[in-house]
Amino acid sequence: QLTQSPSSLSASVGDRVTVTCRASQGIVGALAWYQQKPGKPPKLLIYDASTLQSGVPSRFGGSGSGTDFTLTITSLQPEDFATYFCQQFHSYPEVTFGGGTKVEIK
Amino acid sequence: VQLVESGGGVVPPGGSLRLSCAASGISFSFLGMHWVRQAPGRGLEWVSFMGFDGSYGEHYADAVRGRFTVSRDKSTNTLYLEMSGLKPDDTAVYYCAIFAAPEDHWGQGVLVTVSS
Repeated sequence: QLTQSPSSLSASVGDRVTVTCRASQGIVGALAWYQQKPGKPPKLLIYDASTLQSGVPSRFGGSGSGTDFTLTITSLQPEDFATYFCQQFHSYPEVTFGGGTKVEIK
Repeated sequence: VQLVESGGGVVPPGGSLRLSCAASGISFSFLGMHWVRQAPGRGLEWVSFMGFDGSYGEHYADAVRGRFTVSRDKSTNTLYLEMSGLKPDDTAVYYCAIFAAPEDHWGQGVLVTVSS
């Protein structure tokens, strides 16, 4: 089970944003982060906890191992307002997702 | 890689529906394909997985085990999700997806509405 927090947050362009994901048991580094915009499928941002997917801006970063993980956006841009999900694949193929964090404009 | 779902629609509680996912450009290195659903305004929920060879087999989430069946037509590279005993809680957009980081592919999704 993955617990994401907060479930939503309000932030301004240029803000530093942090989203956390806690696993109920250790998953080493088998965690990914996705961004989803309304009406679209999720887009992979980070995998293996901290590896940036090709084409994803460097303002996105991931860290953590074991049970506690963090997604950081260093300087929020207008196109970053979206919902973010973590996903564990330690128990692949039975993956699970966090509940999501909606990033809204302040 | 392109994944295209079809077969969604409105079905009454207790009814059945079969979803299809037509895949093209699939690599033989992929382990298999997943179904993931998203209820309106809610988060992502993993539903099922089918392996491309015999090593991973079929897997189901507890919420659908015994009611949903995943299958694949190798000749047409199409993944299916046969859903029966549908409940209102099964209402969602259903995506087929491949998780093979750094490769990661999702279809556009298909809406299933369970309502009388």
